Amino acid sequence: GENVEQHPSTLSVQEGDSAVIKCTYSDSASNYFPWYKQELGKGPQLIIDIRSNVGEKKDQRIAVTLNKTAKHFSLHITETQPEDSAVYFCAASGSARQLTFGSGTQLTVLP
Amino acid sequence: DADVTQTPRNRITKTGKRIMLECSQTKGHDRMYWYRQDPGLGLRLIYYSFDVKDINKGEISDGYSVSRQAQAKFSLSLESAIPNQTALYFCATSDSLGRWQYFGPGTRLTVT
Repeated sequence: GENVEQHPSTLSVQEGDSAVIKCTYSDSASNYFPWYKQELGKGPQLIIDIRSNVGEKKDQRIAVTLNKTAKHFSLHITETQPEDSAVYFCAASGSARQLTFGSGTQLTVLP
Repeated sequence: DADVTQTPRNRITKTGKRIMLECSQTKGHDRMYWYRQDPGLGLRLIYYSFDVKDINKGEISDGYSVSRQAQAKFSLSLESAIPNQTALYFCATSDSLGRWQYFGPGTRLTVT
């Protein structure tokens, strides 16, 4: 089955700096890669996703890149703000039409 | 009102007890999922249902059972709870493509 690895597990950045979270996946049939943000005491919420026919997607301060050859994808957050502090999960969906999640990254934006 | 609701939100139970976690959704989605979240392990799939008559085991189904009472309701049961089932449990729904998943607020379960 699919295996998704996510790094780093914790990340601290100064407010205004950029943050990058990286994930790798194992199933070459995977074709959908969402990112979820989980705030304290809440369920994960989808923030951006990318499909395998696209290399990069942006939504305001958030961007995701995908390298199918290397089987890795990344989340980029620019101009970080305190409200960006949360746990971020990557996920991959392939032939089984299920999502396999990474282990999560705790992002802390320092004022 | 929230699209995906879970009850209870917190539960403490003793080893060997039977417990049921309930999930309801108003999004009209056919697909529903139960996940377990443990620190450092992300979200792991317990069971999923593509419709009322289609229920499937996920990665970690041992010790759990589910019931899809209606399109909008999906329950998770622990027949005989054990301490290593202490975790945060999430219900989620999605459309027929199974990609964009909407999560409930979670149930924090503690088994003593």
